[in-house]
Amino acid sequence: ILNVEQSPQSLHVQEGDSTNFTCSFPSSNFYALHWYRWETAKSPEALFVMTLNGDEKKKGRISATLNTKEGYSYLYIKGSQPEDSATYLCAFTDNFNKFYFGSGTKLNVKP
Amino acid sequence: ETGVTQTPRHLVMGMTNKKSLKCEQHLGHNAMYWYKQSAKKPLELMFVYSLEERVENNSVPSRFSPECPNSSHLFLHLHTLQPEDSALYLCASSQETGGYEQYFGPGTRLTVT
Repeated sequence: ILNVEQSPQSLHVQEGDSTNFTCSFPSSNFYALHWYRWETAKSPEALFVMTLNGDEKKKGRISATLNTKEGYSYLYIKGSQPEDSATYLCAFTDNFNKFYFGSGTKLNVKP
Repeated sequence: ETGVTQTPRHLVMGMTNKKSLKCEQHLGHNAMYWYKQSAKKPLELMFVYSLEERVENNSVPSRFSPECPNSSHLFLHLHTLQPEDSALYLCASSQETGGYEQYFGPGTRLTVT
């Protein structure tokens, strides 16, 4: 069983703050790294899938970077809004088609 | 109907019951997945199907039995479960297995009494 670590576990920020959190994963047998947003009472929703070292993806105020050599990815949210409140999950896919999720970072944005 | 649907949304069953969870995807995807979300634990991948063939079984107890009759439908048959099997069971689908983003259903909240 591989370890996918996410930090911090939870985060409280004020509306308008920018924030970021980390996903650490094994650097061997890397195939893809996924970020999902999971709002309460809803289904996890895909944000990004990244496969190449150095990849950067952006969707609105949310962006992500990937470093496969050292085994980490950052998710950034610029100018957080209350609707950004959710749990952000990362997931690692290896070359053997196995899929491992981290425990998530729970973000709470206060108005 | 859009996306991935799951029924029932909530299920309470005794340890001697037999029940089934159903998942249906309307996205034309070839891969489907079952996940288990227990309290304070990461999502755990249980089973993966690609074109109706099981490609992954993550050491799941035999009291959980998946079935994929076609690429749009996935079932999880449950029998003689234990209270520790109480969890949220999520179904997902993706275009193919591997690095494709997954689309999740709303989940079935299962309570085993």
